[in-house]
Amino acid sequence: DTGVSQDPRHKITKRGQNVTFRCDPISEHNRLYWYRQTLGQGPEFLTYFQNEAQLEKSRLLSDRFSAERPKGSFSTLEIQRTEQGDSAMYLCASSSDSKETQYFGPGTRLLVL
Amino acid sequence: QKEVEQDPGPLSVPEGAIVSLNCTYSNSAFQYFMWYRQYSRKGPELLMYTYSSGNKEDGRFTAQVDKSSKYISLFIRDSQPSDSATYLCAMSAGAWEYSSASKIIFGSGTRLSIRP
Repeated sequence: DTGVSQDPRHKITKRGQNVTFRCDPISEHNRLYWYRQTLGQGPEFLTYFQNEAQLEKSRLLSDRFSAERPKGSFSTLEIQRTEQGDSAMYLCASSSDSKETQYFGPGTRLLVL
Repeated sequence: QKEVEQDPGPLSVPEGAIVSLNCTYSNSAFQYFMWYRQYSRKGPELLMYTYSSGNKEDGRFTAQVDKSSKYISLFIRDSQPSDSATYLCAMSAGAWEYSSASKIIFGSGTRLSIRP
């Protein structure tokens, strides 16, 4: 399978705990994006990497959120001190430099109790 | 006002009908237009991708973009029960610079149900 993969697919945690999600983009794609999707809404942009550099962050990304892409391949998204409002689907997408089309992974569904 | 407006539905049509899905937008800088299909509890799957105005056809799917009216449409011919999903319109202004993000702005999605 050469698509975008995400792990875990589901995560249930208690309020105040830290969680980390992983995204493996399509192997030849330089650009990697994180989005958040809540029920009944379209995905909303969170942050963007060009290779290993994090070049843009949305105002939605509070200081409890941090994302990395240390070797320009996979990326991690960490949420510290989770809150119930963080419950959502977290989607990763990737694209190549030469094309605007972004391909999405299956998402990680987070539930904060 | 949202940058991209999409009727959430739900929309229910009989099998074989022609389906019309639409979005309007306010940002004249948008030049890349997409339609994604999303099944329940899955990630969005790219269906159609169009640059600037015009029509694009792919099998039973036709995408139309009218930039003068800031209006895009997706038509599905000979609809099948397997087409039942949420359809998300999406658009971006593109990456003006090498380092800028080509952020996609999504509509809220239209839930479509095809009745056998």
